[in-house]
Amino acid sequence: AQSVTQPDIHITVSEGASLELRCNYSYGATPYLFWYVQSPGQGLQLLLKYFSGDTLVQGIKGFEAEFKRSQSSFNLRKPSVHWSDAAEYFCAVGAWSGNQFYFGTGTSLTVIP
Amino acid sequence: KAGVTQTPRYLIKTRGQQVTLSCSPISGHRSVSWYQQTPGQGLQFLFEYFSETQRNKGNFPGRFSGRQFSNSRSEMNVSTLELGDSALYLCASSLEGREETQYFGPGTRLLVL
Repeated sequence: AQSVTQPDIHITVSEGASLELRCNYSYGATPYLFWYVQSPGQGLQLLLKYFSGDTLVQGIKGFEAEFKRSQSSFNLRKPSVHWSDAAEYFCAVGAWSGNQFYFGTGTSLTVIP
Repeated sequence: KAGVTQTPRYLIKTRGQQVTLSCSPISGHRSVSWYQQTPGQGLQFLFEYFSETQRNKGNFPGRFSGRQFSNSRSEMNVSTLELGDSALYLCASSLEGREETQYFGPGTRLLVL
């Protein structure tokens, strides 16, 4: 069965520090992988996506993610966090067909000055 | 280009009532998906419409239904509301052939009393 696990419910980092949010997935075929961000009271904004090719994907707002097939992981990273990055982050896996998507439970990021 | 819009943004209903939520996709997008987001269950896929036809359906009871109009606007309806239906309902749209990349609206927050 398809599933996405985000093991960290909440992470606190200092502004300017580096960030890594973990995501592990279970999927029967080559997945489409996504990271979304959700600010309070807002919908989801797509940060980046991986379909194939280069396993290091660059996204918006200075985020990147690396697909590691052997570890079934798609971790999100940012070298220097800004206070405006405080939000909820969701990893998702898309079905190869059928247009269904499975989301992780999210990681809440707090940024302290 | 305008993003996905959802109306209303907030809604309060009582148990047993029914509710209709509306979603206008990005111009040119013909696929519209609906999700329910709750603190306990996270983001769960409700259904997806394309060209006025339901193409995929998640694991929700028949009280949850939807439709899509010829202009790609979509509505979802929840009948006989239960307290557990309180959630943020998100709509996402995507281009034909690029359904793996979804653009989300801000959501409708429904509170059932």
